[in-house]
Amino acid sequence: NAGVTQTPKFQVLKTGQSMTLQCAQDMNHNSMYWYRQDPGMGLRLIYYSASEGTTDKGEVPNGYNVSRLNKREFSLRLESAAPSQTSVYFCASSKTGDTEAFFGQGTRLTVV
Amino acid sequence: GENVEQHPSTLSVQEGDSAVIKCTYSDSASNYFPWYKQELGKGPQLIIDIRSNVGEKKDQRIAVTLNKTAKHFSLHITETQPEDSAVYFCAASKKSAGNQFYFGTGTSLTVIP
Repeated sequence: NAGVTQTPKFQVLKTGQSMTLQCAQDMNHNSMYWYRQDPGMGLRLIYYSASEGTTDKGEVPNGYNVSRLNKREFSLRLESAAPSQTSVYFCASSKTGDTEAFFGQGTRLTVV
Repeated sequence: GENVEQHPSTLSVQEGDSAVIKCTYSDSASNYFPWYKQELGKGPQLIIDIRSNVGEKKDQRIAVTLNKTAKHFSLHITETQPEDSAVYFCAASKKSAGNQFYFGTGTSLTVIP
């Protein structure tokens, strides 16, 4: 099993460009999450999906949109990238909200 | 919502010594407290977790304690080794309609050989 797979691993965008980060899990998990990690700020939740067909805002949703395409896939879209969105993005999944979350390897995004 | 605070932000210990990282949480309904280890360039990985009906849990050199009354939980690593050097995150969550994990800001642990 691959676990949680994120693509791409690295990306450089120009301000104003758009892109979609892809995430897929093969563990039949109900819940999926998108976090961003910045130095000294830990992991901050952008959006989450408690189950297929539902999505909710987390702590820092501004500038992002998500789609829970099916039970396996949860994508994160930046419509108009800004330098403040330079970060490392992690996708995660868990069976429920109170069971182990499994993380992908991360996407390092730089917006210039 | 939940607020998780983690201390210290950095910790250096000599190889063989013990390391302790502490977290507090604010939501008394939180019932699941995992600890994650993140190595450079990788995603966080679970190392141990504890539920609110348990006060302590051990797994070889790693232990976690939970004080529900005081709303704090701690990670204890004994006989530290250089490979324990990493960033450690605590988290709190609960099973509800709004499933969310709330993470602390992380502790960078360095084990000095």
